[in-house]
Amino acid sequence: AQSVTQPDIHITVSEGASLELRCNYSYGATPYLFWYVQSPGQGLQLLLKYFSGDTLVQGIKGFEAEFKRSQSSFNLRKPSVHWSDAAEYFCAVLSGGYNKLIFGAGTRLAVHP
Amino acid sequence: DAGVTQSPTHLIKTRGQQVTLRCSPISGHKSVSWYQQVLGQGPQFIFQYYEKEERGRGNFPDRFSARQFPNYSSELNVNALLLGDSALYLCASSFLDSLAYNEQFFGPGTRLTVL
Repeated sequence: AQSVTQPDIHITVSEGASLELRCNYSYGATPYLFWYVQSPGQGLQLLLKYFSGDTLVQGIKGFEAEFKRSQSSFNLRKPSVHWSDAAEYFCAVLSGGYNKLIFGAGTRLAVHP
Repeated sequence: DAGVTQSPTHLIKTRGQQVTLRCSPISGHKSVSWYQQVLGQGPQFIFQYYEKEERGRGNFPDRFSARQFPNYSSELNVNALLLGDSALYLCASSFLDSLAYNEQFFGPGTRLTVL
């Protein structure tokens, strides 16, 4: 069955430090992968997506993610975290076409000044 | 332009009651999807509607139903509410019916509490 695992429930980083959020997926075919961010009281906002081609994907707000088929991973990175990046981050895989996304449980990011 | 809007923002119901949640997609968008997000978990897919037809259904009981209107707005109905139905219900809209070809945008959600 298709699934997404985000191993880290909570992560705390200092402002200005680098960030890497882990995501592992289970999917039989070539996956369509997404990263979303959710701030308190708000809906989900798309950060970036991977469909095919270059395995390093650039997104909004300075985020990037790297698709590694051999490791079934799609980790999200940012070289320098800002206090406004504190939020919950979700990795997702598109399942079976149309708009059905399977989400991971999320990683809550806290940023220390 | 307005984004995806959902109403009400918050809702409190008791077990056994029925609830209707509403979603207005971004103007021009023809696809609406519904997700349930239980506290501490990622969103789970409930339904997708495109051009008023159901395009996908998640693993939810028949107590959950939805429909899409000619103006592409949508309602999610939940009957015989259980405590476990307490969650944030998210609506998302997109122009086409597949994320392989376009992006979907999420609304802020409706927080349902079942007592």
